[in-house]
Amino acid sequence: DTAVSQTPKYLVTQMGNDKSIKCEQNLGHDTMYWYKQDSKKFLKIMFSYNNKELIINETVPNRFSPKSPDKAHLNLHINSLELGDSAVYFCASSLLSYEQYFGPGTRLTVT
Amino acid sequence: AQSVTQLGSHVSVSEGALVLLRCNYSSSVPPYLFWYVQYPNQGLQLLLKYTSAATLVKGINGFEAEFKKSETSFHLTKPSAHMSDAAEYFCAVSGDTGRRALTFGSGTRLQVQP
Repeated sequence: DTAVSQTPKYLVTQMGNDKSIKCEQNLGHDTMYWYKQDSKKFLKIMFSYNNKELIINETVPNRFSPKSPDKAHLNLHINSLELGDSAVYFCASSLLSYEQYFGPGTRLTVT
Repeated sequence: AQSVTQLGSHVSVSEGALVLLRCNYSSSVPPYLFWYVQYPNQGLQLLLKYTSAATLVKGINGFEAEFKKSETSFHLTKPSAHMSDAAEYFCAVSGDTGRRALTFGSGTRLQVQP
């Protein structure tokens, strides 16, 4: 009965590869987010979807492409991975009140 | 535009001592404010939130925070630290109804000494 789940938890890959991270929420929320946490623990919003519609697209390289097949899912696809993409990626969801619930994170390591 | 400043990247207290983690915010609209806790290799867990109701907010695990508009602060406190409180704490602000995304502070690592 996990509220916000992400797969995989760990992802190790080489430069130049393409990878995806999946996120699912079973809270009935209408908004989902992707955040990036860098090596210094700083968290920054990347994307936000409301009812499958993109509402936030921060200054993120266009190698990153979010996709929301339905309100309960928000996936993150990354093309041509670079060393600087190594980070922990968190998915989150909310319903109206701004209170966001976070997934366990996906630690991406690019070698 | 919104921003959050957390004073002190590391705070160390003795078990049983008062915990005080500082957070100041900047927001052009009435803010919603949050404290999250992150244990090692885990996601973020909501401790408490301020959403324009009572200025003194009580959260989980004995934590509370007071919203002070005049000081633009939302400091987190706990009367008596426990070893299990050792973690990274993040203050966050949200206030733009169209945007909703959280703007986080840089985090404060709390160490609890036995």
